[in-house]
Amino acid sequence: DVKVTQSSRYLVKRTGEKVFLECVQDMDHENMFWYRQDPGLGLRLIYFSYDVKMKEKGDIPEGYSVSREKKERFSLILESASTNQTSMYLCASSLRTMGRGNEKLFFGSGTQLSVL
Amino acid sequence: SQKIEQNSEALNIQEGKTATLTCNYTNYSPAYLQWYRQDPGRGPVFLLLIRENEKEKRKERLKVTFDTTLKQSLFHITASQPADSATYLCALTYTGGFKTIFGAGTRLFVKA
Repeated sequence: DVKVTQSSRYLVKRTGEKVFLECVQDMDHENMFWYRQDPGLGLRLIYFSYDVKMKEKGDIPEGYSVSREKKERFSLILESASTNQTSMYLCASSLRTMGRGNEKLFFGSGTQLSVL
Repeated sequence: SQKIEQNSEALNIQEGKTATLTCNYTNYSPAYLQWYRQDPGRGPVFLLLIRENEKEKRKERLKVTFDTTLKQSLFHITASQPADSATYLCALTYTGGFKTIFGAGTRLFVKA
């Protein structure tokens, strides 16, 4: 089975801190994604990457950046954490199918980030 | 912008009955539509995918329909069990796109 591992289950940070969320997948997937999930809003795409060193903005990239130096690892960075970034962060990966983007996302268990 | 609507109210049904969840979307139709299950405190888990040229897809007790005219997908769980209690998410992906858009999900409770 595909495994997507997020480094932390729970994190508590202070306003203004730089925060790193790490994600590793073990199935050689090309595509990787970062979503945040808030009650009533569903999952919203922050950034995605379809190859090493490639990144694309999702729907809500402001206040975030990402890094993909190796195929299996995709990091989300909060440059200066703010209280409105308190959320559940979910990493996902998928195999790239020919001409059709991604199908069947595999998710990690999530990181619940609280910014105080 | 594209929107996905799922019933925000929880669905409560009796064990053994069929649960039917609805996913409606606006604007243009996706290349395919997916359904995921999410348990509290966990990431979503993929269940089924149906493409724009398919009307229906089945997997064990699960059935998904896709009506591009109504811009709607229905997700059915037959012979429901308490273990089916979870939140179910609808997701759309567009041709050539890497972005998959999720609905907010519908919470299902199956009572024994």
